[in-house]
Amino acid sequence: DQQVKQNSPSLSVQEGRISILNCDYTNSMFDYFLWYKKYPAEGPTFLISISSIKDKNEDGRFTVFLNKSAKHLSLHIVPSQPGDSAVYFCAARATSGTYKYIFGTGTRLKVLA
Amino acid sequence: DGGITQSPKYLFRKEGQNVTLSCEQNLNHDAMYWYRQDPGQGLRLIYYSQIVNDFQKGDIAEGYSVSREKKESFPLTVTSAQKNPTAFYLCASSRLPLGSNGYTFGSGTRLTVV
Repeated sequence: DQQVKQNSPSLSVQEGRISILNCDYTNSMFDYFLWYKKYPAEGPTFLISISSIKDKNEDGRFTVFLNKSAKHLSLHIVPSQPGDSAVYFCAARATSGTYKYIFGTGTRLKVLA
Repeated sequence: DGGITQSPKYLFRKEGQNVTLSCEQNLNHDAMYWYRQDPGQGLRLIYYSQIVNDFQKGDIAEGYSVSREKKESFPLTVTSAQKNPTAFYLCASSRLPLGSNGYTFGSGTRLTVV
């Protein structure tokens, strides 16, 4: 049972435009959500996080929005740059005491120059 | 510089052989994790450890084994019982309690069975 879902396996965006990556979850007990960025043959790197008590967190070109009632979060990248081309994973932390994050399946973003 | 090191970067194994992937961290993190990445399946947890000499199975532990004899080290053995071992393996570590910036990942090991 996939508790964290990224339904779009890939996304292409023109350089300078907005990229919107989506993530849905099923467990209302998740309390932190993260986005990771991953280049091929490398480990994921932390990008941005949001607490379940907030609905928005911004860091430079990256903004994460959380809609708790819809169990949905999104990552906005504005403006998109070719170097943003990577796989993006969302991840959620359960509050049940097990020390792990649950990852989505990833979305491959391609920013076209 | 603190970090997490996985070795080797590429590994080839013959069918029926066991192979061990190395993971070392100098971040003084309490917890360590092994994930497997397959195309279209995201990151799936194999094993994790919160303290030395203790570890728990993740979602796909069958055919794998681990040890945690030192805080810094968490090697993963892929045994011949693992039906489909070809994948990209990621090791990660974190402080406890697990915080809002998640894990630090290594750069991964690509295992190919030939």
